This record gives sequence, structure tokens and C-alpha cells, in this order.
Amino acid sequence: GAGVSQSPRYKVAKRGQDVALRCDPISGHVSLFWYQQALGQGPEFLTYFQNEAQLDKSGLPSDRFFAERPEGSVSTLKIQRTQQEDSAVYLCASSSHTGVYEQYFGPGTRLTVT
Amino acid sequence: AQRVTQPEKLLSVFKGAPVELKCNYSYSGSPELFWYVQYSRQRLQLLLRHISRESIKGFTADLNKGETSFHLKKPFAQEEDSAMYYCALGEKLTFGTGTRLTIIP
Repeated sequence: GAGVSQSPRYKVAKRGQDVALRCDPISGHVSLFWYQQALGQGPEFLTYFQNEAQLDKSGLPSDRFFAERPEGSVSTLKIQRTQQEDSAVYLCASSSHTGVYEQYFGPGTRLTVT
Repeated sequence: AQRVTQPEKLLSVFKGAPVELKCNYSYSGSPELFWYVQYSRQRLQLLLRHISRESIKGFTADLNKGETSFHLKKPFAQEEDSAMYYCALGEKLTFGTGTRLTIIP
């Protein structure tokens, strides 16, 4: 079956622009995670959804970052007024259960802010 | 705060030689630890988790609470093991910085 998909795969934004990154999790997966991976680093947790509820947004680096999952499936990560330090790969992952289970990752969206 | 440390950014090993990728963690509680792997041009995927105690692709990892370590081992490296390996902790995964493993033919 289809895995986690993300779009766009690549995004170039001028500093100050708003961007929206989409994640389509595996159908029926309850849990959805967003991670940010800077060059040469491991992924860092941004936010977590259980169905449509955003239960943890402690990793969002500033109030310019906003995530939603209104119907408990597709999720969007929005970054307002992008800055150069936002350049990174944004990874989405989903899991079939809540708690500590295997996470299935998407291919990521590489965001470059110029 | 929980933290994962992978001290080696790069590791090169000859084919057929043993492999050990180091991982140390900091966590106050009973840790849930994972190894994730990313092969060239593929997405990040789970290799193994400590609770399952499985051997995947010949790799094993033992949790040592005394040394707060979860090192990944394989007795005989194969060329297809070349990849980026990440140790990770918890439900909302805390990742290490990763080790790029290269197997020399």
C-alpha cells in the first residue's frame, strides 16, 4: 500500500514569504508527527497529533510555525514570514497507534529560504 | 531533558569485519530506544527497537542501563549496510546526530 507522502518535495521561498507543507499519512494511522532536520543534524521533533487533536507543539521553534490536521488525516505545516534559519528538511511520520510504536516516515520536503 | 549522543559522524569498515555504532542516551525513566536507518535515496525507516529484541538484517542492539548505552552491532558487515544510522529515544522521537556507515569492499 501507499506510504506517507509529502508535497511539495522541494520548496524555495524568498525570506518573508509564507509556505505550506502537506503530509498525507498512511490511511487509518492515528498518530502524526512533524520533524525538522537541519543539514548534518538528526531530525528534531516539532509537533504531534492524535487524530485531529494537536497534543504536543512544544517543538515548534516560534509562533511563525503552525500545524493543523482538521479531519484527522492530512496535515499541513505552515511557516509564516520565512527566515533563512527555517531552511531544512521537514519530515512527516505516522503511526498506527498512540504510544511508542514504529513511525513511518515520508520522503520529506526540502525548504530553502533565500 | 532527554538526549541521544552518537559520537561518530563517520565510520568506515571493511566488508566482513564487525560493526559497532555507538549510542548513549540521557533519560530519567525507562527508555524506549530505536535504531532508524536511511539508505541512499530512500526514506528513514525503522531498523529495530530494543523492546522487540529481534535481529534485523543481522543487526542487534542491547540496552545497557548501567552505561546508558544502546550500541548497534553486526558481526560481519555487508556492502548493502552502507547507510546513515540514527539512534532515537521515546514516543516523540529524540534523535542523535547520526552516523554515516561506509562498508569498504
